[in-house]
Amino acid sequence: EPEVTQTPSHQVTQMGQEVILRCVPISNHLYFYWYRQILGQKVEFLVSFYNNEISEKSEIFDDQFSVERPDGSNFTLKIRSTKLEDSAMYFCASSEFGGLAGPDTDTQYFGPGTRLTVL
Amino acid sequence: ELKVEQNPLFLSMQEGKNYTIYCNYSTTSDRLYWYRQDPGKSLESLFVLLSNGAVKQEGRLMASLDTKARLSTLHITAAVHDLSATYFCAVDIGAGNMLTFGGGTRLMVKP
Repeated sequence: EPEVTQTPSHQVTQMGQEVILRCVPISNHLYFYWYRQILGQKVEFLVSFYNNEISEKSEIFDDQFSVERPDGSNFTLKIRSTKLEDSAMYFCASSEFGGLAGPDTDTQYFGPGTRLTVL
Repeated sequence: ELKVEQNPLFLSMQEGKNYTIYCNYSTTSDRLYWYRQDPGKSLESLFVLLSNGAVKQEGRLMASLDTKARLSTLHITAAVHDLSATYFCAVDIGAGNMLTFGGGTRLMVKP
């Protein structure tokens, strides 16, 4: 069964450093998302991406964050200058369509996550 | 601002018992999802509910939606240990397929 994959599974970085989190969405999916989950807290939406553009972004997704689809398979989240409070599990998700087609094709499938630890 | 609240936050139950998890949300929603998350793992889609009165069942789990009350329930029948996980509801209000999650219900089923 197709699945979303993410690398690395765990990333440790120093405060102020740049990190890039990588995701490979399901191959026929057109919509891509990033969410984060701070330890013990709820899952929070960061950004959605379609047709090489950001569709929606939350207040969390400020100027230090960026997303990119550098090729036909990868979807990346870059954090330019990490802060301690960026420590969290980051989930990538993908869906075939983006909310207008129907429940089955709009369902978001999540990757295993990247645990980011900022020291 | 959309708020999604789940209760209880933590549920410990014996195998064979029944229980219900509640998910309240504060604004009109296009659809409501239930996800399961095992410790250290990703979120697995369980159900998507679209319309008022929608009911879906898979094994020992049954989800329902009351859009007038802005309430969804996830009912567990005759719980087994394998159901131990954290369950999240998530609401899509139709803005770019952006999901707003509840705080999660951590379910522990004891033998």
